[in-house]
Amino acid sequence: NAGVTQTPKFRVLKTGQSMTLLCAQDMNHEYMYWYRQDPGMGLRLIHYSVGEGTTAKGEVPDGYNVSRLKKQNFLLGLESAAPSQTSVYFCASSRRKESNYGYTFGSGTRLTVV
Amino acid sequence: TQLLEQSPQFLSIQEGENLTVYCNSSSVFSSLQWYRQEPGEGPVLLVTVVTGGEVKKLKRLTFQFGDARKDSSLHITAAQPGDTGLYLCAGVRSGNTPLVFGKGTRLSVIA
Repeated sequence: NAGVTQTPKFRVLKTGQSMTLLCAQDMNHEYMYWYRQDPGMGLRLIHYSVGEGTTAKGEVPDGYNVSRLKKQNFLLGLESAAPSQTSVYFCASSRRKESNYGYTFGSGTRLTVV
Repeated sequence: TQLLEQSPQFLSIQEGENLTVYCNSSSVFSSLQWYRQEPGEGPVLLVTVVTGGEVKKLKRLTFQFGDARKDSSLHITAAQPGDTGLYLCAGVRSGNTPLVFGKGTRLSVIA
């Protein structure tokens, strides 16, 4: 039972490079989320999706784009990476947005932008 | 502005001691959740509380939701080294919003 799988686990980018973080869930969850976690800042929501083909902005969306072409996958893109985007990125999924079931998180992607 | 304030930020205690961590807000939440995160891993759900005044127990962990649904607490009895981790509270303000997280309490239990 894989749950939420994030790839890659680690990545180093140069400023200005682009990349895509992949998130896959096998629980048939409707909702998916991308958070970033920085020291002293907690988890902050970047973008989220309430279903296949739909996305919405979270608290800190600037510099990121997302796509949800398939229900099980949620992609986070950085078009032109900046050092301020150095962070640990977590993907999560849930059965409902206002879920009492909680979110299932992946194990994270540690991104360093130099 | 942080919607959910957690205190203390850091806590280091000896094995066997009791502790309480707090999650406070000026806003009302329809539900609050507590997660534990270990190094290199994502947060893992511990409990969800949805009713004001609700108390839930999970072995040595006791969770309480405030009567006004603006705050919550986590009490650990006889802490063990395995309780070490980052404890995060998270809340849903209304039916149409994703979870917002506090900054967490980092707990270290020393054997």
